[in-house]
Amino acid sequence: DADVTQTPRNRITKTGKRIMLECSQTKGHDRMYWYRQDPGLGLRLIYYSFDVKDINKGEISDGYSVSRQAQAKFSLSLESAIPNQTALYFCATSDGRVDTGELFFGEGSRLTVL
Amino acid sequence: GQNIDQPTEMTATEGAIVQINCTYQTSGFNGLFWYQQHAGEAPTFLSYNVLDGLEEKGRFSSFLSRSKGYSYLLLKELQMKDSASYLCAVMDSNYQLIWGAGTKLIIKP
Repeated sequence: DADVTQTPRNRITKTGKRIMLECSQTKGHDRMYWYRQDPGLGLRLIYYSFDVKDINKGEISDGYSVSRQAQAKFSLSLESAIPNQTALYFCATSDGRVDTGELFFGEGSRLTVL
Repeated sequence: GQNIDQPTEMTATEGAIVQINCTYQTSGFNGLFWYQQHAGEAPTFLSYNVLDGLEEKGRFSSFLSRSKGYSYLLLKELQMKDSASYLCAVMDSNYQLIWGAGTKLIIKP
C-alpha cells in the first residue's frame, strides 16, 4: 500500500460543484502539503500544514480551502469549482528536516472541471 | 521575483550520458533538489545539494554552483526507464520549495 494515498484518483465535475480531495498518510509525518501541477508550469503550492493546528496559505490558495482532520489526514476542497481549476493535484508529506527536505508525494488526483 | 529555468525537453540515446541544467534566482537559498516524475505518476526524490560541488549517487550525479545560481543533473548509462520528467526545485529563505516546470527527457534506442 502507498504511504501517501489520495482519493479520488480521477474526477470529472461541472462548474459550480463542490469537490473534496482527500489525502491520508502512514509515514507519521507532521507536515502535509497540497500542490497542483499544470502542463508547462512547475508544481505550485496551494496550502500546507505543519501540524493539526497549523494551516498556511501557499502561492495559489484562492478558490481552495483545506482541513487537517488528524495528523494523518489533510483534505482539499474546491467550494465552487471552475474550469481553470482543472489540473493534477498532489498531496505530499515531509518530516520537516531542513537538511534533506524530501517530499513524499501521493499518486495524484486528476480533476477535470467542465 | 523567484525563477527556476530548465529546458523543456531533451532527447538522448540509450547507453549515453545526458546533462540537464537548471538555473535559479530565488530569495535566499537553503538547498536544491532534483525529482524524477514518470508520466502520470508522482514525483520521487533524486538528490539534494546545499554545498557547491558534485554529489554522486549511482548512475545519477548532481552538481551545484551557488555563486552562479546553477545546477545540473547528470545521468549516465541511460536506460529506457530513465524516460521521465526531471524537476528542479530550490528551497528559499522561508524554507519554501520553488519548482521549475521540469525537463522531459526522451530516451531513444
